Amino acid sequence: KQEVTQIPAALSVPEGENLVLNCSFTDSAIYNLQWFRQDPGKGLTSLLLIQSSQREQTSGRLNASLDKSSGRSTLYIAASQPGDSATYLCAAPFSGGYNKLIFGAGTRLAVHP
Amino acid sequence: EAEVAQSPRYKITEKSQAVAFWCDPISGHATLYWYRQILGQGPELLVQFQDESVVDDSQLPKDRFSAERLKGVDSTLKIQPAELGDSAMYLCASSPSGREGRYNEQFFGPGTRLTVL
Repeated sequence: KQEVTQIPAALSVPEGENLVLNCSFTDSAIYNLQWFRQDPGKGLTSLLLIQSSQREQTSGRLNASLDKSSGRSTLYIAASQPGDSATYLCAAPFSGGYNKLIFGAGTRLAVHP
Repeated sequence: EAEVAQSPRYKITEKSQAVAFWCDPISGHATLYWYRQILGQGPELLVQFQDESVVDDSQLPKDRFSAERLKGVDSTLKIQPAELGDSAMYLCASSPSGREGRYNEQFFGPGTRLTVL
């Protein structure tokens, strides 16, 4: 059974810190990995998509890496801001799933001034 | 910028009543997904359509849930009768294609927050 795990479950940091969110998956046969942001009571906003052939993707202050062999992905947020406070979810479609995403439970991030 | 539309945004209903949610995917997206997200957890797929056909409904509680996408565009998810445990966020997503071997980015709508009393 494919499983996605995110550590830590919650994180509180002062503004300006660089931080790393971790995502691990049990089956290395993934086709891509997506990172999402979710604000309280809202839908999901796609942040980054890493194809299985790629090692990393960057968007502004965000950088996501993918290591299929170790079953890990990390989301790096540089110079965190209070506006980054949200829940961050990772998800991947596994083989045989017709693009069905398996999600982690998310990391709840709070950036305080 | 194209977005996935969902309505209503919030729904409060009593146990045993019927509820329905609507989703309009991004224009041209062949694949449509309905996910359910219980508070504090990640979303889980309920049903996936490729055009008007269901390709995965293995996690859909078929005794009370139904979903349709009659013309391969917008979709409706229905619950009849609603139970207390159905309280959750219902998310709709779409992607250009979901056939195995062609995995594409999914785009999510704002969701419908359902509360069953």
